[in-house]
Amino acid sequence: SQQGEEDPQALSIQEGENATMNCSYKTSINNLQWYRQNSGRGLVHLILIRSNEREKHSGRLRVTLDTSKKSSSLLITASRAADTASYFCATSIEVGGSQGNLIFGKGTKLSVKP
Amino acid sequence: GAGVSQSPRYKVAKRGQDVALRCDPISGHVSLFWYQQALGQGPEFLTYFQNEAQLDKSGLPSDRFFAERPEGSVSTLKIQRTQQEDSAVYLCASSAARGYTRSGANVLTFGAGSRLTVL
Repeated sequence: SQQGEEDPQALSIQEGENATMNCSYKTSINNLQWYRQNSGRGLVHLILIRSNEREKHSGRLRVTLDTSKKSSSLLITASRAADTASYFCATSIEVGGSQGNLIFGKGTKLSVKP
Repeated sequence: GAGVSQSPRYKVAKRGQDVALRCDPISGHVSLFWYQQALGQGPEFLTYFQNEAQLDKSGLPSDRFFAERPEGSVSTLKIQRTQQEDSAVYLCASSAARGYTRSGANVLTFGAGSRLTVL
């Protein structure tokens, strides 16, 4: 079963535009991460936000977290064709007071046209 | 090594055959995870090792799936009597953190995956 659900499932934009992807989850979390996957490759960690943080930046990436709504968003500013990939949110839930394994959503497929 | 290495990258098996997928994690990484990713889906958790101990195998879909990490480094995922629904990409990931403790966020480094096609 998957904890997170990304929205939209697919997103197509022009180079230079901003891309926003959303993630909703079901249970209380310890932290939330975003990963990127190029076609035919493994996942690459992008950014982690802890449950007591509301916003985090890394280069052209901005992540927000709203624990009351159980949702997160990933914003990629000034997109480039090289940003074309699938993006997944992953939640780490508490299991008996400890962090459990990462549970991934179904992903958003981003296409950036040059 | 510099990254997580998986082999083979591609495997075609006839239904009923046994397959073995290998994962070489980053040297010194304590935690090792196996995930299954169906086409167009996100990775689904299979099993977790902390060193050589398999602490969680709750995601293994049936008793045909077996994983081991005997010396706490290289891991093998074995699928017996493969069936068509086993066709997927099998991803291995490792982490320096002890994935089931509070001692640090479990940021995972993934391998490129082994794509299994069962005919």
